[in-house]
Amino acid sequence: DGGITQSPKYLFRKEGQNVTLSCEQNLNHDAMYWYRQDPGQGLRLIYYSQIVNDFQKGDIAEGYSVSREKKESFPLTVTSAQKNPTAFYLCASSIQGGNEQYFGPGTRLTVT
Amino acid sequence: AQSVTQLDSQVPVFEEAPVELRCNYSSSVSVYLFWYVQYPNQGLQLLLKYLSGSTLVESINGFEAEFNKSQTSFHLRKPSVHISDTAEYFCAVSPSGGSYIPTFGRGTSLIVHP
Repeated sequence: DGGITQSPKYLFRKEGQNVTLSCEQNLNHDAMYWYRQDPGQGLRLIYYSQIVNDFQKGDIAEGYSVSREKKESFPLTVTSAQKNPTAFYLCASSIQGGNEQYFGPGTRLTVT
Repeated sequence: AQSVTQLDSQVPVFEEAPVELRCNYSSSVSVYLFWYVQYPNQGLQLLLKYLSGSTLVESINGFEAEFNKSQTSFHLRKPSVHISDTAEYFCAVSPSGGSYIPTFGRGTSLIVHP
């Protein structure tokens, strides 16, 4: 079955540690996205990539980094510079120039 | 740039009653419009979308939305809700060209009571 996988489902880290969230898709989509979801705030775009080896900052990129070395993969690193990293993180993909997005199941990150 | 306003953060309703979730948007360019649904601790799933053509679009599970260009709205309706419709609903708008990057509303929590 085609789809997007995110792992792990739940992630716990100590403050000051970097952590990398995985996102893989087998939909052959060119574009991939990372969103952060906080209660009552909807989805906010962190980074997006429309083609391999290229990515752009979204609205809240500070404290995050990404890479796009393969079409199928778009990992997100939450660095220690992110002041409030505890949140639900969603990865999505779409065809190039496409309209609808396909979402993964999300990773809930808790930093204490 | 575009923005999306979902006017209600929470909508409680009894089972089998009708419901309307409101969405208004602003944009300086032509747009595509979407409704997504999110069940607890899951990702979003596309419910329905308007790209062009008929302004009334329908989903397979009984929801419908109407694009109203003059009022810049895309309200979601269902004539009779089920307990299983309890979820968070997000309205989204994207430009119909260029980057296609969508902007999401803050979401409306639909709570269906028995």
